[in-house]
Amino acid sequence: DGGITQSPKYLFRKEGQNVTLSCEQNLNHDAMYWYRQDPGQGLRLIYYSQIVNDFQKGDIAEGYSVSREKKESFPLTVTSAQKNPTAFYLCASIPLDSMNYGYTFGSGTRLTVV
Amino acid sequence: QKEVEQNSGPLSVPEGAIASLNCTYSDRVSQSFFWYRQYSGKSPELIMSIYSNGDKEDGRFTAQLNKASQYVSLLIRDSQPSDSATYLCAAYVIAGNMLTFGGGTRLMVKP
Repeated sequence: DGGITQSPKYLFRKEGQNVTLSCEQNLNHDAMYWYRQDPGQGLRLIYYSQIVNDFQKGDIAEGYSVSREKKESFPLTVTSAQKNPTAFYLCASIPLDSMNYGYTFGSGTRLTVV
Repeated sequence: QKEVEQNSGPLSVPEGAIASLNCTYSDRVSQSFFWYRQYSGKSPELIMSIYSNGDKEDGRFTAQLNKASQYVSLLIRDSQPSDSATYLCAAYVIAGNMLTFGGGTRLMVKP
């Protein structure tokens, strides 16, 4: 079955450490997105990519980095510059020119600073 | 003005009642709208989409779109405790090929 796989489900980061969250899709979707969700809050866009080897900053890109070397994969690195990374991270995808489709979401990664 | 706005709630309804969730949008979004349900600690799941003015029904769910008033709503008939969740309204943004989300409305269905 097609879908988006995020791993790991839970991740613990020490102060000053970089960590990478994985997002893989087999839906053949062109566009992929990373969102952050804090408790009781809505979704905030971190980065997005419409095509391979191209990506754009969202509303809260500081302290994060991404790459899009393959259509299927859009990993997110949370760097030590992100001072408050504890949150629920969601990856989503959508076909291009898809105004009648909603996002497909992964199951999320919960990141905690220890 | 935000592109999509929702009342954060919580909206509390008794079991068996109709829950009405509302969303307003700005001129900056397109005419495609989506409702997602998000249980606590889980990722959002798409439950309804609507593109045309009027009503769209799917089981106990009805989505309503009023373009003149820039208003989208989701009605849940015969509400069940299992419907207790946060409901996210989203609109498609053509320029970015992405969805923009409201802040979500928390629904509580009491037995």
